[in-house]
Amino acid sequence: KAGVTQTPRYLIKTRGQQVTLSCSPISGHRSVSWYQQTPGQGLQFLFEYFSETQRNKGNFPGRFSGRQFSNSRSEMNVSTLELGDSALYLCASSAGHGAGYTFGSGTRLTVV
Amino acid sequence: DQQVKQNSPSLSVQEGRISILNCDYTNSMFDYFLWYKKYPAEGPTFLISISSIKDKNEDGRFTVFLNKSAKHLSLHIVPSQPGDSAVYFCAAWGDSGNTPLVFGKGTRLSVIA
Repeated sequence: KAGVTQTPRYLIKTRGQQVTLSCSPISGHRSVSWYQQTPGQGLQFLFEYFSETQRNKGNFPGRFSGRQFSNSRSEMNVSTLELGDSALYLCASSAGHGAGYTFGSGTRLTVV
Repeated sequence: DQQVKQNSPSLSVQEGRISILNCDYTNSMFDYFLWYKKYPAEGPTFLISISSIKDKNEDGRFTVFLNKSAKHLSLHIVPSQPGDSAVYFCAAWGDSGNTPLVFGKGTRLSVIA
């Protein structure tokens, strides 16, 4: 079965711009989580959506937002980009506790 | 406040030997632990997990040990192979999955042929 698909794979943006990243979870998975990975910081939790509702939120500023659609696809948006937002953004879907997360390949965002 | 800690940023091991990756956690509500492996330019892939009701889980060359009293888990890879060279993340789940999966910062394993 198809895995978690993230688009685009790579993105270069200028400071002050905004960006939208997309994630299509594994079919049947209703939970989608987003993480930011930067060197030396591991995977930092951004937010989790379950059945179109934000279930959990990490400690990121309000410039980071997301949503989930009725087909479980999710998008995250970052407004007023800063150089420090350059990172690998990972999306993961889950079938529930104990099933773990399946990650996509990520979107590499570079802010210049 | 880091709830899941991997104190060794890197580890080098010779091919054929045992690799031991360590992880400590602070939240006693964690009840499920996972290890993920990550290659560059790819997302993390699930490796092995353990429930808090167990102290050991084995899958081929990979074994995870859990010491709840010490809030410590470890991943053993025997024998280590060059293809095991990657970044390994320890992760923990609490509250029956209603809270996010919390990750450590990762340990970069290099297996030298």
